[in-house]
Amino acid sequence: DIQMTQSPSSLSASVGDRVTITCRASPDISDYLAWYQQKPGKVPKLLIYSASTLQSGVPSRFSGSGSGTYFTLAISNLQPEDVATYYCQNYNRAPLTFGGGTKVEIK
Amino acid sequence: EVQLVESGGDLIEPGGSLKLSCTASGFTFSTFTMGWVRQAPGKGLEWVSDINNSGGNTYYADSVKGRFAISRDNSKNKLYLQMNNLRAEDTAVYYCAKAKSGGSSYDYWGQGTLVTVSS
Repeated sequence: DIQMTQSPSSLSASVGDRVTITCRASPDISDYLAWYQQKPGKVPKLLIYSASTLQSGVPSRFSGSGSGTYFTLAISNLQPEDVATYYCQNYNRAPLTFGGGTKVEIK
Repeated sequence: EVQLVESGGDLIEPGGSLKLSCTASGFTFSTFTMGWVRQAPGKGLEWVSDINNSGGNTYYADSVKGRFAISRDNSKNKLYLQMNNLRAEDTAVYYCAKAKSGGSSYDYWGQGTLVTVSS
């Protein structure tokens, strides 16, 4: 099975900061990687698919990069509405594992 | 507008069975892979199962293989999850999700239905 390891598990940053979340896959998943945002008490929302393609309607301050085994989600100019837990997901092949999540808070 | 509405969640005793349903609207249901994802209270997301557009291919997490069965009725725009031999660790909110064309990232999610397994 493919293992997805996210880091950090939580972070705290100031409004306007750039934050980066990493996701490591083992083994290689090419670019079959998605990122989701889940705000407290809400349903997950797709942010990025194919590792770097922004889903329609998602603000451009979100960006994704990577391929193979190493991926990053970056949020530039962090906003209060970005407080959420972020998850990566492998969809190269079943089981379509999620990472453990990264909780983003505002300082 | 795409809508996914789950139903069937309940309080059930360990060893019991439950069938979840998801009613889809706003898109051509029969052309998309669909899936179930669950989230235990205070925990992260866990992928449960996927089914391709025709229903001919199904996939399961190891944690539910042999106990859960995913199915769909394209004539009724419905997705199902039959859950048997339920365990306490199956307690979670179960989300129905629609996959994007060409892959299984999920672009639409339902609001979820709560399954509680407890005596």
